Amino acid sequence: NAGVTQTPKFRILKIGQSMTLQCTQDMNHNYMYWYRQDPGMGLKLIYYSVGAGITDKGEVPNGYNVSRSTTEDFPLRLELAAPSQTSVYFCASSHTSPRQGWGINIQYFGAGTRLSVL
Amino acid sequence: GQQLNQSPQSMFIQEGEDVSMNCTSSSIFNTWLWYKQDPGEGPVLLIALYKAGELTSNGRLTAQFGITRKDSFLNISASIPSDVGIYFCAGQLRNDMRFGAGTRLTVKP
Repeated sequence: NAGVTQTPKFRILKIGQSMTLQCTQDMNHNYMYWYRQDPGMGLKLIYYSVGAGITDKGEVPNGYNVSRSTTEDFPLRLELAAPSQTSVYFCASSHTSPRQGWGINIQYFGAGTRLSVL
Repeated sequence: GQQLNQSPQSMFIQEGEDVSMNCTSSSIFNTWLWYKQDPGEGPVLLIALYKAGELTSNGRLTAQFGITRKDSFLNISASIPSDVGIYFCAGQLRNDMRFGAGTRLTVKP
């Protein structure tokens, strides 16, 4: 039961470097999400996707890009890493099911990627 | 955007004690969710609430969806050491989900 798998678990970047955080899920979920979690804070949504080929900005999208070429994969790209992007990044997926007229999505999270930009 | 205020920020309790934490919002949500995060792991769903006034239990955990749709609470009864972790509330309105800052729970044996 793999669920949501994130790689790498840890990474240190220099300012201005780029990298891609990988996320894959094997639950055939249509929705996928990227969050960042800063120390002592809750999760903030960076980007989300409602299906292959469709992505939307969340609350804090600046400095990030995403793509969704398949149902399973939702990579997050940092083009020019900045110290403000030091955080723990969580990927999540969900399968929305209509209930009472609204889509209720229960999100399942990966174990996170801890990123430091120095 | 919608902000969630979660309290308390942290709790230090003795094993066996009951715990209560809550979340409030300035805006309404259609769903309230409670997650637990263990160190080095992602959040795991504990309870989901779908209707205003709903009271739901999951073992020693009980949560309620406030009647105004702007708040929710989580109670843990008879705490045990493995209850240690960070508890997050989350409110959902359509495709928008917001998280509280978390309640860090420490349980002393």
